[in-house]
Order: sequence, then structure tokens, then C-alpha cells
Amino acid sequence: NAGVMQNPRHLVRRRGQEARLRCSPMKGHSHVYWYRQLPEEGLKFMVYLQKENIIDESGMPKERFSAEFPKEGPSILRIQQVVRGDSAAYFCASSPPSGQGSTQYFGPGTRLTVL
Amino acid sequence: AQSVTQLGSHVSVSEGALVLLRCNYSSSVPPYLFWYVQYPNQGLQLLLKYTSAATLVKGINGFEAEFKKSETSFHLTKPSAHMSDAAEYFCAVTVSGNTPLVFGKGTRLSVIA
Repeated sequence: NAGVMQNPRHLVRRRGQEARLRCSPMKGHSHVYWYRQLPEEGLKFMVYLQKENIIDESGMPKERFSAEFPKEGPSILRIQQVVRGDSAAYFCASSPPSGQGSTQYFGPGTRLTVL
Repeated sequence: AQSVTQLGSHVSVSEGALVLLRCNYSSSVPPYLFWYVQYPNQGLQLLLKYTSAATLVKGINGFEAEFKKSETSFHLTKPSAHMSDAAEYFCAVTVSGNTPLVFGKGTRLSVIA
């Protein structure tokens, strides 16, 4: 059973460009979470999604950031007009449907560098 | 709201010595607690979790942690450190399945030969 997949693993963007980060959850998992890790910091929650629904986006910056988890295909975290402060590692995690366990399994992350 | 405090951003032990990484949590309801390990430039790997069953939890790679409600602690231990244990360790809390994790800032473990 393949783990959580994220791509790209490394992404370089210039200020003002758009960044698109993709996450494919583990097979059978219907819950996706996005976290951001800044240097010397722990992971901070950004958004929690189920298929076609945003459940909790309380950790998402109000502007420039958006996320989706369509019926078909991977979850996408989109950052518009990137700034240097967006440089970080972005991790996706997935978990099984409710009632089948609480553990979140993490992908390898996408390391975003904004020049 | 939940929070996690990891005492010591960097811990250094000799190979073969006891590993003790400290985690204290705050939660208004019974918590679910997790320890994850992160190797350089990699994602997080689950070491072990507490979900209201046995208070002493055994995980992978010889690690274990004990849930102590009276001390609001969930410290991670390993009797004998190995060089391959050198990594960043994160403690995390949540209040139920399928809710976001709240992480501590992490503890970097160095193992000296």
C-alpha cells in the first residue's frame, strides 16, 4: 500500500508567481490535512478537507492561499502571488474515514523556496 | 484549545545511553497523543500513539511513552540510544480522531559515538 504522495518534492518560485502543491492520500483514506513547517518551528495546521469539502480552514492565511480536494484526483494547495515568507516545507497527511482510526500519515513534503 | 510543550529543543546523548524526550500537553478534554520522528529532508513517521487505552505505549524502534494524566505528560523514552536515532522528534495532541494535530516545536536528538 503506497503511502501519502506529494509532488513536487522541491519547488522554486519567484515572488509574485503561483505555487501548486499536490497531495495524493493513502488508498482508502478520505481525510486530508495540510501543515506548514517553518525553519526551527514545529508543524502548524493549515486546512482539513474531505472529498469536495473544506472541513476546517482555521489555520489558512486569509489571502492568497486556497485548498481543494476534488472528487477525482489529488488535493491541491495553491498559493497565489508568493512572497519570501511563504518559503517553508508543506506537508500533507491523510487519515482513514471516521471510526476507522485517528492516525494521520504524512507525506514526504514539498519544500517551497521563493526567490 | 490544545497545546504542547517540548522541553529542550536539543538533546544530546551518548550511544547506548537512555533517551528521554519530554512532552507536556494541555487539553480541556481527554487527549489523543502522538510522537512522530522526522529525519532530515523527510516527512514525519509515526513512532507511537496514545488513544485512551493502556497508559504505557510501545512504539517502533524500541521507543515507548507513558501517559501521565496527573502530570499532563507524555514523555518518550528508549533504554539505549543508537546512532540511527539521531533525528527531530515531535509530540502532538488532538482531541479525537480526524481532527487537526497540534504539534510541539520539536526536539533534535543527537547521538554521540
